[in-house]
Amino acid sequence: KAGVTQTPRYLIKTRGQQVTLSCSPISGHRSVSWYQQTPGQGLQFLFEYFSETQRNKGNFPGRFSGRQFSNSRSEMNVSTLELGDSALYLCASSLGHPPTEAFFGQGTRLTVV
Amino acid sequence: GIQVEQSPPDLILQEGANSTLRCNFSDSVNNLQWFHQNPWGQLINLFYIPSGTKQNGRLSATTVATERYSLLYISSSQTTDSGVYFCAVQDFGYSTLTFGKGTMLLVSP
Repeated sequence: KAGVTQTPRYLIKTRGQQVTLSCSPISGHRSVSWYQQTPGQGLQFLFEYFSETQRNKGNFPGRFSGRQFSNSRSEMNVSTLELGDSALYLCASSLGHPPTEAFFGQGTRLTVV
Repeated sequence: GIQVEQSPPDLILQEGANSTLRCNFSDSVNNLQWFHQNPWGQLINLFYIPSGTKQNGRLSATTVATERYSLLYISSSQTTDSGVYFCAVQDFGYSTLTFGKGTMLLVSP
């Protein structure tokens, strides 16, 4: 069974631009969570989607948003990029809500220059 | 919110040695997972262990929920075990996993 797929793997963007990251969960999993990993802050929760609805949101500015489609695939968007948004963005897939065992994708490494 | 502390922060071992990594958490949890982050950044599931003991090859884990800690044992370590090990917990009724800062393990040949 295929794992969690995140695209793209690497991105370089300029300050002020916006970016969209994609996550396809494990087949049959309906919950998708997003995390940001930086050397200074570690792994921090961004948001969780289940049944196309945002169920929980972490402490991030409104520039960070997301959505989930009817096939459970999720996208997250970051607008007006700042240098501090440079990070590894990880997507986790779980069977239901609230999520139990989480399975992570390979991540998208975003660099803002 | 719930606090997660991992120890030691760094560990250097010779190949073949055994090690124990510890995870302490500040409140009752619904979910506890151990992950190994590979050099490419992916978090690899090691154990889903809210309580009890599990074993998978050279790795085993024990969570004592009533005392709010979990241990990850690595026996006969190999260079491929190098990387960062994370403990993550989930509070009852919440969606979020709260991660510790990790233990950086280096196994030298």
